[in-house]
Formats: sequence, structure tokens, C-alpha cells
Amino acid sequence: NAGVTQTPKFRILKIGQSMTLQCTQDMNHNYMYWYRQDPGMGLKLIYYSVGAGITDKGEVPNGYNVSRSTTEDFPLRLELAAPSQTSVYFCASSQGANYGYTFGSGTRLTVV
Amino acid sequence: KNEVEQSPQNLTAQEGEFITINCSYSVGISALHWLQQHPGGGIVSLFMLSSGKKKHGRLIATINIQEKHSSLHITASHPRDSAVYICAVRKGNEKLTFGTGTRLTIIP
Repeated sequence: NAGVTQTPKFRILKIGQSMTLQCTQDMNHNYMYWYRQDPGMGLKLIYYSVGAGITDKGEVPNGYNVSRSTTEDFPLRLELAAPSQTSVYFCASSQGANYGYTFGSGTRLTVV
Repeated sequence: KNEVEQSPQNLTAQEGEFITINCSYSVGISALHWLQQHPGGGIVSLFMLSSGKKKHGRLIATINIQEKHSSLHITASHPRDSAVYICAVRKGNEKLTFGTGTRLTIIP
């Protein structure tokens, strides 16, 4: 059982470039989340989804987009990368609001 | 003031010591999570609780809803317990609010 798989683990982007962070889970969880973790700060919610075809903004959605065409996949798209998007990104999934979370191993992104 | 406050921010202890990490929150919640983040960066869910106490191995988590406070205890601490411990609360919807974490270092 792979759990939550994130790719890539590391990436360096130049300012203005775009990329997609991939997240896939094999636990048939309806709820999926994208967080960013900055030094000295708690995780901040970027976007979340409560099921296929449904997405909603979190606390810090600007500069990002998501889609949820299947239960398994929840990619995060960065358009026009900026240095402020340098961070560690975590994808997570949950069976529902009253259940624990399973996290991916994270993607360390640097924008230069 | 953050909605979720953890103390201490950093904690260094000798192997074998009893460890307590505290989490206070300022809003009504439906559940509280304790997470562990190892130096490699991966995050593991330890506990989710909405009342009382839970135990798993050497880890114990308690919550007092009236006082808006939770504690995470580690008995017989070991160097492999060295990690950042994160408290997060859910306010009745799907979203968690996270504390900034407590960095625990256990010295052999």
C-alpha cells in the first residue's frame, strides 16, 4: 500500500516558469489537501478537495491551481513561479473530516 | 496571536526522560491532531482526539476541551524520538489550523 505519493521530491524553477506537483493516493480517500510549509511557520492550506470534481481554496491559494478529475489524483499547478513560492509542499489525504490524515513525503521547491 | 500555540518551541532532554509537549488553542474545535515530522521531512499522523486520552506505545495524548489544552507525553524517551511535533486543530469543517511545532532532541 503506497499511501500518498508525491513527485518530484526536489525541483528548482526559474522565475516565471510553470510546473505541476503531482499527488496520488491509493486509499480511495475522498478528501485531499495541498499545504506549504515555510521555515518557522505552521503548515498553510493552499487548496483542498472533498471529492472528484470538487475543489476549494484554502488560506494561501494565490499563484496556484488544482484539479481533481479522479479520486486518486490531485495535482497542484504553479503558474509564473515567484521566489515567494519557495517552500516545501505537502499533499495529504483523509477518509473524511473525522479521520486522521496521511501525508506524502513532500516536495522541496526553490524558485530562483 | 496564533489560534494554536505550542510550548516549548525547542526541547532537549536526556535519553530516558519523560517528555511533555503542550498545545493551547483559542477556538472551539471538533478534533485535535498530533503529528510527527522527522528530520527527513516526512509527516506522520500520531493521534486524533476530541476528548480524554489516547495511548500508543510510549506516546500518550490528552485533551481538556474546557481548558482548550492538549498535551503529548513521551515516556522513556529515546534518540529516535527526536523530531518536530506538530499540533493541529479542526474547527468543525474540513480544514486544519497548525501550530509551528516543537523541536525535540533526545541526547543519548
